[in-house]
Amino acid sequence: DTEVTQTPKHLVMGMTNKKSLKCEQHMGHRAMYWYKQKAKKPPELMFVYSYEKLSINESVPSRFSPECPNSSLLNLHLHALQPEDSALYLCASSQDGGAHNQPQHFGDGTRLSIL
Amino acid sequence: AQSVSQHNHHVILSEAASLELGCNYSYGGTVNLFWYVQYPGQHLQLLLKYFSGDPLVKGIKGFEAEFIKSKFSFNLRKPSVQWSDTAEYFCAVGGSYIPTFGRGTSLIVHP
Repeated sequence: DTEVTQTPKHLVMGMTNKKSLKCEQHMGHRAMYWYKQKAKKPPELMFVYSYEKLSINESVPSRFSPECPNSSLLNLHLHALQPEDSALYLCASSQDGGAHNQPQHFGDGTRLSIL
Repeated sequence: AQSVSQHNHHVILSEAASLELGCNYSYGGTVNLFWYVQYPGQHLQLLLKYFSGDPLVKGIKGFEAEFIKSKFSFNLRKPSVQWSDTAEYFCAVGGSYIPTFGRGTSLIVHP
């Protein structure tokens, strides 16, 4: 079992819906990440939070909006998504909020389908 | 900028065969190297990592990797694979920036 918990595990939504993905870790890690992963492809970095502040946005469309309410929680708010946004969304955390050179701990992911 | 190249995209082996998956990286500074595995339907998990010291690192489930600085390589090896090793394997390099993942190698082990 992973120490990074993501909910929901599966999500089906229409293009006009608003939904949120949630991620939680209690390892005291100070860096948290959102990745998008298509089948048989490597994870693509979307956002990085370091010490609860957004430090990296990899040119992600504004229909994805991250939020870090506290050091243990990371949300990804979704609005007006497109069918090509269907993918596995992974949350990860790592110990060091600054250097990002520590191993990452991944959640099971949320499998998102856009109708 | 850092980059990672995995040359073997698909590997098919029979049980008990030996495995070597290639990983080459490009990075100018002090490098940290990782191999992650993703079993079907499961989360990415760390197999092993190299930060410094002994260039031959041992990981979980009998895997090992060797860091060869002169070749910018960090190849993954296992002497005898099992059916349960069927998975996607990702090499990643980290440094001062976010770890960069290679495109992955799909390993299928036939019983």
